Amino acid sequence: EPEVTQTPSHQVTQMGQEVILRCVPISNHLYFYWYRQILGQKVEFLVSFYNNEISEKSEIFDDQFSVERPDGSNFTLKIRSTKLEDSAMYFCASAYYSNQPQHFGDGTRLSIL
Amino acid sequence: GESVGLHLPTLSVQEGDNSIINCAYSNSASDYFIWYKQESGKGPQFIIDIRSNMDKRQGQRVTVLLNKTVKHLSLQIAATQPGDSAVYFCAENMGIYGGSQGNLIFGKGTKLSVKP
Repeated sequence: EPEVTQTPSHQVTQMGQEVILRCVPISNHLYFYWYRQILGQKVEFLVSFYNNEISEKSEIFDDQFSVERPDGSNFTLKIRSTKLEDSAMYFCASAYYSNQPQHFGDGTRLSIL
Repeated sequence: GESVGLHLPTLSVQEGDNSIINCAYSNSASDYFIWYKQESGKGPQFIIDIRSNMDKRQGQRVTVLLNKTVKHLSLQIAATQPGDSAVYFCAENMGIYGGSQGNLIFGKGTKLSVKP
């Protein structure tokens, strides 16, 4: 069964450094998402991406965040200058359509020191 | 995935019993609902979904019930097995008519523990 894959599984970064989290969505899906889950809290929406542009973003997704689909398969989340509070699990998800089930990767655990 | 923490509601059941996990959703405009299962070290795994024009949907060993009047969703798992032990999340979506591009609003989650 096709699945969403994320790399790396764990990223440790110094505060202030840039980090790029990578995702390969399911190949025929058209909608792509990033979510995060801070330890002890709910899964929170960050951004949705469709037709090579951001379609929706949350208040969390400020100017430090950006997303890109550099080729036909990868979908990346970049955090330009990481803060301690960016430490969380980051999940990528994809769906064929916006009102179809989203399928999640196993996440990247981001630890900011 | 991470454990969702100290204040996570927990449901403990005996193997073979039926489990019912409840969820109150927040937005009356939501028209699409999904249940996810999250095991330790994994991402949320799709279990079953339901749209607002239905009040019940059945899958393999799972049933979702939707009560729009009180904004309540439940997941019933029949003949619960040890492999069902996980954290279960409900998620809602306002749909394109609500101006959403599909972003999901997740509940806090319930930890299901199955005793053999």
